[in-house]
Amino acid sequence: QVQLVESGGGLVKAGGSLRLSCAASGFTFGDYYMSWIRQAPGKGLEWVSYISRSSHYTHYTDSVKGRFTISRDNAKNLLFLQMNSLRAEDTALYYCAREVVPEGYSNSNYFDYWGQGTLVTVSS
Amino acid sequence: SYELTQPPSVSVSPGQTASITCSGGELGSKYASWYQLKPGQSPVLVIYLDSKRPSGIPERFSGSNSGSTATLTISGTQAMDEADYYCQSWDSSSVVFGGGTNLTVL
Repeated sequence: QVQLVESGGGLVKAGGSLRLSCAASGFTFGDYYMSWIRQAPGKGLEWVSYISRSSHYTHYTDSVKGRFTISRDNAKNLLFLQMNSLRAEDTALYYCAREVVPEGYSNSNYFDYWGQGTLVTVSS
Repeated sequence: SYELTQPPSVSVSPGQTASITCSGGELGSKYASWYQLKPGQSPVLVIYLDSKRPSGIPERFSGSNSGSTATLTISGTQAMDEADYYCQSWDSSSVVFGGGTNLTVL
């Protein structure tokens, strides 16, 4: 069965760095786009970044551009999010999610499997 | 930037029909998905490509999308459906989520 397990969260001071990991199993990892999505305390879901199957394409929400970097290792079935220059507003539960980009449906996507999330707390 | 607007809360009586809307510019020309989020759990995809149901999602969940509004409909709402629901779409290479709707079954 599909499993996504995040790790690497923790407490960090503003300006610091963290690297999140997501271990995937139960499917052919390299066949899917992957995304990081976060939920700040008491807030809604916010998409953070996605990466294409072979890492050719990456995209970020404006608030993390230049600070976060998404990457993947298809040989090891791992997804990463390197987070630098962290701010208090980056405090959130970070989910990795498998992204489906359906053939024949232009400009569409959805997330069919999600991990349990890893909590990032940035203290100011 | 593109925005999706949802009502903050919707209430429904058990067994009745709940409708949750998601509004965005020309949303009907895009595709919408819906996710259910319960406290302490991960989000669950309940509708994708406007109206398709993943395997394992009860038939009481349905979706539509036209004009500028996508709608998630839950027929015969059950207590277990009480949760936050988020719509999601795609615009200009970015993923967009609505602000979420808290569904109360009472």
